[in-house]
Amino acid sequence: QKEVEQNSGPLSVPEGAIASLNCTYSDRVSQSFFWYRQYSGKSPELIMSIYSNGDKEDGRFTAQLNKASQYVSLLIRDSQPSDSATYLCAVKAPTGRRALTFGSGTRLQVQP
Amino acid sequence: GAVVSQHPSWVICKSGTSVKIECRSLDFQATTMFWYRQFPKQSLMLMATSNEGSKATYEQGVEKDKFLINHASLTLSTLTVTSAHPEDSSFYICSAREEDSTDTQYFGPGTRLTVL
Repeated sequence: QKEVEQNSGPLSVPEGAIASLNCTYSDRVSQSFFWYRQYSGKSPELIMSIYSNGDKEDGRFTAQLNKASQYVSLLIRDSQPSDSATYLCAVKAPTGRRALTFGSGTRLQVQP
Repeated sequence: GAVVSQHPSWVICKSGTSVKIECRSLDFQATTMFWYRQFPKQSLMLMATSNEGSKATYEQGVEKDKFLINHASLTLSTLTVTSAHPEDSSFYICSAREEDSTDTQYFGPGTRLTVL
């Protein structure tokens, strides 16, 4: 089982719709969770971080964390073609490795 | 957010030469930086963790003698690809960890290496 799992996609949504990106993780004691966006040929860009159960909203983005289910998601409201990218979920365990563990990413396509 | 720079943004070199890539945290100090490699249409692969003032920690399968890492200051880490070969051609990305409780990593823009 991979430590951080994401559906590779592509996830295709029409412009203006809500895109829902999901991520599960295996280490139950993980404490820090991040979503990065990576455009083709570019490096990852931090979108959001979340540390406690519940929802966290920032503009059109909402991160949701459920530690009991070991599940973190990212919702993108009013999706735009410019949101088309690969979205990486990253998890940090509280001890041990300092590096984040990344999922393989979900490719999102927003159709105009 | 915090800013991380990388230099050069791209480099083309002949097989057998060495290439140095710099990673700088511009507005924060980073005792820990990370080096990743990404091949086309593949996910990020962590190569090594760079620790200021001490030896880097390499991931399994990454040759430490080929990928030399130096983290001489709190804002600068360098990766040197020694005796580069075409199979080393890739997108090399560094990230720096902000020294607070959040463990947030900020990525540099990446360096595209092409070895002829």
